[in-house]
Amino acid sequence: DQQVKQNSPSLSVQEGRISILNCDYTNSMFDYFLWYKKYPAEGPTFLISISSIKDKNEDGRFTVFLNKSAKHLSLHIVPSQPGDSAVYFCAASLRYNNNDMRFGAGTRLTVKP
Amino acid sequence: NAGVTQTPKFRILKIGQSMTLQCTQDMNHNYMYWYRQDPGMGLKLIYYSVGAGITDKGEVPNGYNVSRSTTEDFPLRLELAAPSQTSVYFCASSTKAGVRSNQPQHFGDGTRLSIL
Repeated sequence: DQQVKQNSPSLSVQEGRISILNCDYTNSMFDYFLWYKKYPAEGPTFLISISSIKDKNEDGRFTVFLNKSAKHLSLHIVPSQPGDSAVYFCAASLRYNNNDMRFGAGTRLTVKP
Repeated sequence: NAGVTQTPKFRILKIGQSMTLQCTQDMNHNYMYWYRQDPGMGLKLIYYSVGAGITDKGEVPNGYNVSRSTTEDFPLRLELAAPSQTSVYFCASSTKAGVRSNQPQHFGDGTRLSIL
């Protein structure tokens, strides 16, 4: 049962434009959400997170938006840079277990110069 | 500062063989985790540990065993390798704040395991 879904396997954008990566979840017990970035042959690295008590969190070029009623979150990257090309994973943490995260399948972002 | 180190990077096993995937961290983190990532899928939690001597099952623990005798090391054991365990395995560590800290988890670079 895929509780965290990233329905776009890939996304291609031009350098300088906005990248929008989407994520949907089904379990209402998720209350904390994270985005990870992964380069080939490396482990994921943490990018940004958001608690369910907020609807937006911003860190430099990265902004995460959370729509609880729609069980949807998105990651915006503005402006996109070629170094942002990677696989982006959405993850969600359960309310009653701080250590159990469920990951989406990832979206491969390609930023073209 | 090495962070989280996993060995080996690659391994091919025959069905029924056993092996131990090693994971060590030098950040004095209390929490450690093992994940697997199958092709086209997200990471799935196998086991985790909140401190030496304490381990807990994650989402997909069957076919694996772990131990945590020291803060630094968290080995993952496959006793009877099966083709379904072909995957990339990631080890991670975090502070006591777990996934809700400002640096939730530090990951190793993974072990790619094929079972034929």
